[in-house]
Amino acid sequence: SQKIEQNSEALNIQEGKTATLTCNYTNYSPAYLQWYRQDPGRGPVFLLLIRENEKEKRKERLKVTFDTTLKQSLFHITASQPADSATYLCALEASGGSYIPTFGRGTSLIVHP
Amino acid sequence: SAVISQKPSRDICQRGTSLTIQCQVDSQVTMMFWYRQQPGQSLTLIATANQGSEATYESGFVIDKFPISRPNLTFSTLTVSNMSPEDSSIYLCSAGTAIPSEAFFGQGTRLTVV
Repeated sequence: SQKIEQNSEALNIQEGKTATLTCNYTNYSPAYLQWYRQDPGRGPVFLLLIRENEKEKRKERLKVTFDTTLKQSLFHITASQPADSATYLCALEASGGSYIPTFGRGTSLIVHP
Repeated sequence: SAVISQKPSRDICQRGTSLTIQCQVDSQVTMMFWYRQQPGQSLTLIATANQGSEATYESGFVIDKFPISRPNLTFSTLTVSNMSPEDSSIYLCSAGTAIPSEAFFGQGTRLTVV
């Protein structure tokens, strides 16, 4: 069955460093992949979408890579700030016409001042 | 973009009762969904709300337990029926378009069944 894996352990980093979060998937052929941010008590907020034919996508301090051979996406936040502390979810939408994202359980990022 | 208003934001309900959650989108969207999220867990899709017809339910979710309405393009309700403590969770409304794009979420409804 389809599976999305994100590190369940929280990632702790110092302010100013680059945070790198990983999303691995199996038994999938995703047409695209999304990353969302979720704060406690709030719904997820969309950050970036990357398609299967794109290697990398950037938006301000955010960068996402998508390696369909490794079946992996990396999510980077450069010059991290305490305000970046949140849970980050990856979501995959399978090819074949389904536009419904399937979510990983997310990785908590804690940026220490 | 779309802004989703979901209410109530939280509720504490007695076992055996039902709760209806409302979701209003500020613009017309093609697709609306309902998710459930247990603490520390991923979002689990309950169903796709279809305008003017029966919702499409995912495996493990049935209409008798989670009836859903979508009378127009911008409004949907989810009812959690005959509640038990196992139904305690966060319920999230989501909306999007049929093209690859972002999904928008409401702030969620935190339900506690006692």
